[in-house]
Amino acid sequence: NAGVTQTPKFQVLKTGQSMTLQCAQDMNHEYMSWYRQDPGMGLRLIHYSVGAGITDQGEVPNGYNVSRSTTEDFPLRLLSAAPSQTSVYFCASSPRTTRGDEQYFGPGTRLTVT
Amino acid sequence: QQQVKQSPQSLIVQKGGISIINCAYENTAFDYFPWYQQFPGKGPALLIAIRPDVSEKKEGRFTISFNKSAKQFSLHIMDSQPGDSATYFCAASMAGSTLGRLYFGRGTQLTVWP
Repeated sequence: NAGVTQTPKFQVLKTGQSMTLQCAQDMNHEYMSWYRQDPGMGLRLIHYSVGAGITDQGEVPNGYNVSRSTTEDFPLRLLSAAPSQTSVYFCASSPRTTRGDEQYFGPGTRLTVT
Repeated sequence: QQQVKQSPQSLIVQKGGISIINCAYENTAFDYFPWYQQFPGKGPALLIAIRPDVSEKKEGRFTISFNKSAKQFSLHIMDSQPGDSATYFCAASMAGSTLGRLYFGRGTQLTVWP
C-alpha cells in the first residue's frame, strides 16, 4: 500500500493563478480531508468528504473547491491563488468506523503564492 | 471557535525529564481523543489515543490522562529523549454525521535538550 499520496511536493504560483493539489489513497477509506498548516495556527480543516459524492466545508473553505468522484481521489482546487494561501497543505484519510479511527496523513504540499 | 484548546504552545525539556501537554474541550459529544506527532517536513502521525471510558492509557513512555468531569486530557512523555522533539497535536472526534472529522488543538512544539 502506498497509503496517502500527494502531488506536487512543492509549488510556486503567482497571484491569480489556479491549480489543483492532488490527493489519492489506496486503503479504501471513506473519510478524506484537506488541512492547511500555518505557524502557530495548527492544522485547520479546509474541506472534508465522508464518501464518494459527499463533501462539506471545514473551518477555512474560502478560496478552495473540492470534489469526490471516486473513493480514492480527493483533489483540492485553488480558484484564484492569493498570498494568504501560502501554506503547507496536508491530505488525510480514515476508515470512518464508530470505534474512533486513525487518520493517515500524506507527506504534504508546500505552496508559495507570490 | 476553537473546539479543542491546547497548551503550552512550546515546551523545552531536558533529556530524561517529563514533558506534559494539556488539552481542554467543551463539547461533551466528543468520544475519541487522539494525539498526533509531527516531525519537521512530515505529515502528522497517530501517537496514542483514548476513549472516555478509561482515565489513563499508557504506551511505552507515552501516557494519556483523561478527566471527563473537567473535560481535560493530557499527554505525558516520561524520560523524554531528543528524538521526541516534534510538534504534538491533541484532537477530538465524535460519532454522528461528522464521524471521522477530527478537531485539532493548535499544537505544542517540544524540544528535548540532550
